[in-house]
Amino acid sequence: TQLLEQSPQFLSIQEGENLTVYCNSSSVFSSLQWYRQEPGEGPVLLVTVVTGGEVKKLKRLTFQFGDARKDSSLHITAAQPGDTGLYLCAGGRGGSNYKLTFGKGTLLTVNP
Amino acid sequence: SQTIHQWPATLVQPVGSPLSLECTVEGTSNPNLYWYRQAAGRGLQLLFYSVGIGQISSEVPQNLSASRPQDRQFILSSKKLLLSDSGFYLCAWSPMRLFSTEAFFGQGTRLTVV
Repeated sequence: TQLLEQSPQFLSIQEGENLTVYCNSSSVFSSLQWYRQEPGEGPVLLVTVVTGGEVKKLKRLTFQFGDARKDSSLHITAAQPGDTGLYLCAGGRGGSNYKLTFGKGTLLTVNP
Repeated sequence: SQTIHQWPATLVQPVGSPLSLECTVEGTSNPNLYWYRQAAGRGLQLLFYSVGIGQISSEVPQNLSASRPQDRQFILSSKKLLLSDSGFYLCAWSPMRLFSTEAFFGQGTRLTVV
């Protein structure tokens, strides 16, 4: 069962454009993380959000956790070719449950 | 600072041969440890996780097994590889925290079974 749905699956844009990718679930998570992965490498943690409605900014990236802690979005302003990669969201249940559930990812290509 | 080492980076093995992938973490103690498999550069499938030495939880029935002989060592094994075992294998660790489970990944092993 796919608990985290990411959309779109693929996104190809021009340098300088803005974009938003989404991570949705019917389940509540105690925390949600976003990762970026480049080909042939492991995912790298970008951010963790834990509070409903929380917004975090990382340079040109803005992350938001939904009020009900079931969904999240990642907005990139003025995308650059260096932003190209697979963006994965992952949810954790916290407490004694140490498993992370990953979405299938959004493959972003930023063309120069 | 904490680091995670995973090797080898690339492996080509014949069908029916054994497998041993090793992962070690430095700079932390009592981490949660995970093995994931990623197919075709997409989402991660959790294979095994461990919250302590000798404690292994399996998520997917399969041809693989995992062991944690030491606190910061996690090993993925198979007695006889299948073609379907090909993929990108990732080891990860996370700190013991109550409300968040952030994972830090190794560089991965590209396994091709021929």
